Amino acid sequence: QKEVEQNSGPLSVPEGAIASLNCTYSDRVSQSFFWYRQYSGKSPELIMSIYSNGDKEDGRFTAQLNKASQYVSLLIRDSQPSDSATYLCAVYASGGSYIPTFGRGTSLIVHP
Amino acid sequence: KAGVTQTPRYLIKTRGQQVTLSCSPISGHRSVSWYQQTPGQGLQFLFEYFSETQRNKGNFPGRFSGRQFSNSRSEMNVSTLELGDSALYLCASKGGQAENSPLHFGNGTRLTVT
Repeated sequence: QKEVEQNSGPLSVPEGAIASLNCTYSDRVSQSFFWYRQYSGKSPELIMSIYSNGDKEDGRFTAQLNKASQYVSLLIRDSQPSDSATYLCAVYASGGSYIPTFGRGTSLIVHP
Repeated sequence: KAGVTQTPRYLIKTRGQQVTLSCSPISGHRSVSWYQQTPGQGLQFLFEYFSETQRNKGNFPGRFSGRQFSNSRSEMNVSTLELGDSALYLCASKGGQAENSPLHFGNGTRLTVT
């Protein structure tokens, strides 16, 4: 069974710090990885996608992928209170899978 | 481009009733998926439709059903509602030719069963 694991948190960081969110997955042939942000009571919003090993940067966000270690992370630089949300990791396996497997999410709290 | 639209936003139903939720995907998107989200279980996949055909199905009882129309709009129906069906129901669409395109979620329908 394909699994995606995230620490539920909460992860608490001070404003201006780097928040590091981690996700591990069990299916070695997974191909595509996404990070979603979900504010309380709202729907998930896509913030990053990554397909190849290494880092991908978009503004204050950096996604890091290590397929050998089956690990994907999201770094948020200069964290702001508005970044306080739950962050969901989603993973697609290969081989005709049209449905991603979601982790349960990590709650991030950025305090002033 | 308009996003994924779900109606209604909120619903209150009584146990034993049935409910129909609606979803309009992003224009041009042919795949529509439905998810149930509860605090205890996270995002649970219900089913996915592509070109009016159910392509994937999650592990939910037969009380949960769906369909997709020729314009890609989708509906989800839950019959004989139970208290445990109270949840946020999310619809997501995806486009492109790649099977692993990202999902784009609607605002959800908050269902409360009393």
